[in-house]
Amino acid sequence: GESVGLHLPTLSVQEGDNSIINCAYSNSASDYFIWYKQESGKGPQFIIDIRSNMDKRQGQRVTVLLNKTVKHLSLQIAATQPGDSAVYFCAERDNFNKFYFGSGTKLNVKP
Amino acid sequence: NAGVTQTPKFRILKIGQSMTLQCAQDMNHNYMYWYRQDPGMGLKLIYYSVGAGITDKGEVPNGYNVSRSTTEDFPLRLELAAPSQTSVYFCASSYSILSGDTEAFFGQGTRLTVV
Repeated sequence: GESVGLHLPTLSVQEGDNSIINCAYSNSASDYFIWYKQESGKGPQFIIDIRSNMDKRQGQRVTVLLNKTVKHLSLQIAATQPGDSAVYFCAERDNFNKFYFGSGTKLNVKP
Repeated sequence: NAGVTQTPKFRILKIGQSMTLQCAQDMNHNYMYWYRQDPGMGLKLIYYSVGAGITDKGEVPNGYNVSRSTTEDFPLRLELAAPSQTSVYFCASSYSILSGDTEAFFGQGTRLTVV
């Protein structure tokens, strides 16, 4: 199967600062890369995705960057809030509609 | 709008027992998935289905079986429970990638402990 991994298991940021969560992937053939947020005791929730033919996509307070040369994906959260505290997963969706997930980064937002 | 519903939420099984984890979605998604999540880890794909009557193995299928008799339901069966199957199980559903919709919707999970 594909391998999707994260660089940092835990990230602590001050409320109001920007957060950057990184992810490495191995399957160059994936069409979509997706970021999910998982709060304690809940299932993952979709945040934002990016197609493989793009290098940047912005949403509300979030930006995803894709660097296909080094197979790297990042999620930037602007003005991080306490409600952003969660575990963040990157995932890739292959041509068979299967999703492969990384191990996650826990984001702690300090008030 | 229920989305993806999983039952039960919690279950304790003895080694060797069997059980079925239920999953239902009301979004008319053709794709459905079962994942397991071990503590501090990401999600691993157990089985998935591209539509009623069609299922296929994922990354970690051993010890599990699935069926998909309707679009809405995708139960996961554990025949002989083992401690290694202690995990949180998530069911998910999505449209085909051809629809342009990449989002997978997840249920709230079933926390299974095998003792």
